[in-house]
Amino acid sequence: AQSVAQPEDQVNVAEGNPLTVKCTYSVSGNPYLFWYVQYPNRGLQFLLKYITGDNLVKGSYGFEAEFNKSQTSFHLKKPSALVSDSALYFCAVSHNAGNNRKLIWGLGTSLAVNP
Amino acid sequence: DGGITQSPKYLFRKEGQNVTLSCEQNLNHDAMYWYRQDPGQGLRLIYYSQIVNDFQKGDIAEGYSVSREKKESFPLTVTSAQKNPTAFYLCASSIRPIVTGSGNTIYFGEGSWLTVV
Repeated sequence: AQSVAQPEDQVNVAEGNPLTVKCTYSVSGNPYLFWYVQYPNRGLQFLLKYITGDNLVKGSYGFEAEFNKSQTSFHLKKPSALVSDSALYFCAVSHNAGNNRKLIWGLGTSLAVNP
Repeated sequence: DGGITQSPKYLFRKEGQNVTLSCEQNLNHDAMYWYRQDPGQGLRLIYYSQIVNDFQKGDIAEGYSVSREKKESFPLTVTSAQKNPTAFYLCASSIRPIVTGSGNTIYFGEGSWLTVV
């Protein structure tokens, strides 16, 4: 079955430290990978995506992610966390489903950055 | 500013009542989507539309209905057949449909809370 996993429900990190939010996937064909952030009571905001090309993708607010095909992962990273980065983060994967592509979502990871 | 506008932000529904959530976009996007978000369950696709006068069922379409009479608008009606409608509803759009393999980004509105009273 096609799936995407965010193995950590919650990540805690001190302000100024590097952060990583993990995403792994199991899909057929070539995946398109996305990261979104959601602040409380708000919609999702797009951070970055990987379609093809360079495995390291840079996005909004200083975030980046690396596509690792052998490990089927697309972890979100930031060198120095801010308290304002505290939010819910979603990984999504677009994959081939018959003649169409389908987008599937992880369950989200809550990031808490402590001052 | 360009974007996706959802209204109302908060809506209360009585048992047996139909309610409609509004979604308007001025991004000139062809495709629009409705998702439902429940705590711990991520996002689940209700309906999507690839183009005006077209819409397709998503993974959890039962108890919901939509229309796409204008490119800018994609209202969602939560009918009385939806037995557990309390949730956060998110409207989204993309310049081209995800199903076509375009790799286009989906952009979201600010969401609407629906509560059954």
